[in-house]
Amino acid sequence: QAQLVQSGGELKKPGASVNVSCEASGYSFTFYGINWVRQAPGQGLEWMGWISAHNGDTNYAQEFQDRLTVTTDTATKTVYMELRNLRSDDTAVYYCARSGRTSGTTRPFEYWGQGTPVTVAS
Amino acid sequence: SYVLTQPPSVSVAPGQTATITCGGDNIGSRSVHWYQQKPGQAPVLVVHDDTDRPSGIPERFSGSNSDSTATLTISRVDPGDEADYYCQVRDGGRGYVFGAGTVLSVL
Repeated sequence: QAQLVQSGGELKKPGASVNVSCEASGYSFTFYGINWVRQAPGQGLEWMGWISAHNGDTNYAQEFQDRLTVTTDTATKTVYMELRNLRSDDTAVYYCARSGRTSGTTRPFEYWGQGTPVTVAS
Repeated sequence: SYVLTQPPSVSVAPGQTATITCGGDNIGSRSVHWYQQKPGQAPVLVVHDDTDRPSGIPERFSGSNSDSTATLTISRVDPGDEADYYCQVRDGGRGYVFGAGTVLSVL
């Protein structure tokens, strides 16, 4: 059974960066891609970006293009999400979720991590 | 960017049928996925590619998609179905987009 396990909650100051990891198990890692989705308190789901575990290709939502970097380590089957220059409105729960491995994939998010709360406050 | 429109809330009595809509320009030409999210939990995929159910999802959950509206239908609703429901599509090269979500209340 596929499983995604994320790193623990973070408290950051405005202007700092946060790194969240997502470790995959139970499936062939390079056959799929990993997305990052966030959810601010009381709000809906917001797609942030995607990486192919097959070849490292990435695709980021326009609003995160200059602050987001997603990388993958195939040796440890782990995907990393770095969000820079944090603001108070980046306070949210951040989820990783598995989908397809090609850039045009329409595959659904069949498996999700448990979520990582990130709080940005001075 | 592509916009998905969901009703903020839907209420239904136990045992009745809940219908949650997701509107978008020519959404019938896209593959629509639906997620259920309960408080404090990660979302769960309940319908994918318009009409398909992942293993483990009850047959009470079904989907359809045509023209400008996709629909998630939950038959014989029980209190355990109370949750937020989100539709999702691929927005071409821009990645994925979610609807704003619908709160299902079982009265």
